[in-house]
Amino acid sequence: ILNVEQSPQSLHVQEGDSTNFTCSFPSSNFYALHWYRWETAKSPEALFVMTLNGDEKKKGRISATLNTKEGYSYLYIKGSQPEDSATYLCALGAGTARQLTFGSGTQLTVLP
Amino acid sequence: DGGITQSPKYLFRKEGQNVTLSCEQNLNHDAMYWYRQDPGQGLRLIYYSQIVNDFQKGDIAEGYSVSREKKESFPLTVTSAQKNPTAFYLCASGAGANVLTFGAGSRLTVL
Repeated sequence: ILNVEQSPQSLHVQEGDSTNFTCSFPSSNFYALHWYRWETAKSPEALFVMTLNGDEKKKGRISATLNTKEGYSYLYIKGSQPEDSATYLCALGAGTARQLTFGSGTQLTVLP
Repeated sequence: DGGITQSPKYLFRKEGQNVTLSCEQNLNHDAMYWYRQDPGQGLRLIYYSQIVNDFQKGDIAEGYSVSREKKESFPLTVTSAQKNPTAFYLCASGAGANVLTFGAGSRLTVL
């Protein structure tokens, strides 16, 4: 079983602050790195899928980077808003089966 | 609208009973998955299916069973052999190795 670690476990920021969190993973047999946002009482929703070392993805105020050689991905949120409050999950696709292994998530709370 | 429907949303089970969680998708996805979430842990893969009439065990398959008789449906049975079944269960589907679409989840509580 692969070990995918996310940090911090939880985070509180003020509205307007920018923030970032980390997903660390073993770099061998890498296939893809996924980020999902999971709001309370809703289904997890995909944010990004990254496959190449050096990939950078952006969706509005949220962006992500990927370093497959050192085994980490960063998720950035610029100018956090209360609606950004959610748990952010990363998931690693690796090996021949390419099944996803999820981290335990970073729970973000944006205070108004 | 295309999506995944899980039912029931909440389920209570007495010890020794089997229960079945339903998962239906109308996205025409080949692959379907069942995950379990426990507090403080990531989603853990129970079973997955990449094609009708075929499925594979995930990381924590013991005490669970599945079937995939139709492309749209992937029910999960939590058997009495599952020692700690109280958890939140998520079903997902995907096209090939691409991004997953999730259902809203089912919360199972053992009384």
